[in-house]
Amino acid sequence: LAKTTQPISMDSYEGQEVNITCSHNNIATNDYITWYQQFPSQGPRFIIQGYKTKVTNEVASLFIPADRKSSTLSLPRVSLSDTAVYYCLVGDMDTGRRALTFGSGTRLQVQP
Amino acid sequence: DAGVIQSPRHEVTEMGQEVTLRCKPISGHNSLFWYRQTMMRGLELLIYFNNNVPIDDSGMPEDRFSAKMPNASFSTLKIQPSEPRDSAVYFCASSFETVKQETQYFGPGTRLLVL
Repeated sequence: LAKTTQPISMDSYEGQEVNITCSHNNIATNDYITWYQQFPSQGPRFIIQGYKTKVTNEVASLFIPADRKSSTLSLPRVSLSDTAVYYCLVGDMDTGRRALTFGSGTRLQVQP
Repeated sequence: DAGVIQSPRHEVTEMGQEVTLRCKPISGHNSLFWYRQTMMRGLELLIYFNNNVPIDDSGMPEDRFSAKMPNASFSTLKIQPSEPRDSAVYFCASSFETVKQETQYFGPGTRLLVL
């Protein structure tokens, strides 16, 4: 399974853009990159997923460089409610390399 | 859609007692996952099922843990006998496995405290 590495924690202030980078040097050709968000006392929830280049939805953007060995989750203009743990997972359903390893994630603390 | 349903939400028991956690996946999903989360070890996969069949139970800590999925709408995770080190939040999640870009939907979790 592809191993991912993320910063343990990050701090930001309301209104700033936050970028969380995840390294996945041994990503396989067919692997997708998926990010989850977990608030205290809740289960993780899906944020965004991508394969290459850039993906954007109403919550975040995901930037994936051409070599796909890393990815960056971008949260525009964060608010206090974005304080959570963010997990990066890598995997591919078709080859059995399912994205099931959450690791420790990145703990984002947003200050007023 | 009610989402993934777990019960109980909180459980306090004494060491040596049997504990049974329950999960109802989202209707139509054919994969079900049990995770355990602690401060020390983070979020760990215990076992997952595809179409009610256990596929990978390599994360189950020891023989005291067992999981079943008798039908597509129900699964249990049993700990017998329970020990204080089993104290954790246990999450159940489900997904639609035939979709290549798999997304897991998590339940609210069961917070277990073993005294």
